[in-house]
Amino acid sequence: TQLLEQSPQFLSIQEGENLTVYCNSSSVFSSLQWYRQEPGEGPVLLVTVVTGGEVKKLKRLTFQFGDARKDSSLHITAAQTGDTGLYLCAGAFCFAARQLTFGSGTQLTVLP
Amino acid sequence: ETGVTQTPRHLVMGMTNKKSLKCEQHLGHNAMYWYKQSAKKPLELMFVYNFKEQTENNSVPSRFSPECPNSSHLFLHLHTLQPEDSALYLCASSHSQGARENQPQHFGDGTRLSIL
Repeated sequence: TQLLEQSPQFLSIQEGENLTVYCNSSSVFSSLQWYRQEPGEGPVLLVTVVTGGEVKKLKRLTFQFGDARKDSSLHITAAQTGDTGLYLCAGAFCFAARQLTFGSGTQLTVLP
Repeated sequence: ETGVTQTPRHLVMGMTNKKSLKCEQHLGHNAMYWYKQSAKKPLELMFVYNFKEQTENNSVPSRFSPECPNSSHLFLHLHTLQPEDSALYLCASSHSQGARENQPQHFGDGTRLSIL
């Protein structure tokens, strides 16, 4: 079974703090996507990473794909209450695959 | 507004009822997906349709029956469900996958299903 493990499962921090969440697998991904899901809504795509070692920035969010393409991290700088949500990583294990494997997510709560 | 609309947003049904979930996308995509999201579990892919043809069926019980009449619409017909089927059912769509890319999926807001 191809599994994606996300850690931590829950994270509660104060506004202004920095945080990192992780997505790990023993298998190699062809690509990996990060989504954020807010209560009562479906997941919304944040970024797709494809190349080992790739770093992408989206305002205060920095996404990194591991050199071996087995892991990824999401770092948020100076968190805001609007960052609260469920962060999901989803990996594809071969190119052109329609099937994504999702992690169970990190529930982030940013307190004012 | 994600371009993917799911109805109803909430559904409560008994184990003997028959109901259908509907998904409609206005993004010009030709691949559509049904996922099940349960508490504390990863999203589970149920079905994939590409150009109206079912291409994936991940060992889903026959009490769930998908239907894809065209590239813009997807249904999930429900019959004789069990309490453990209570979950959020998410529909997603994407462009058909390219040779070197995994196309992002656009999700609807889901149908919250409760089985009594």
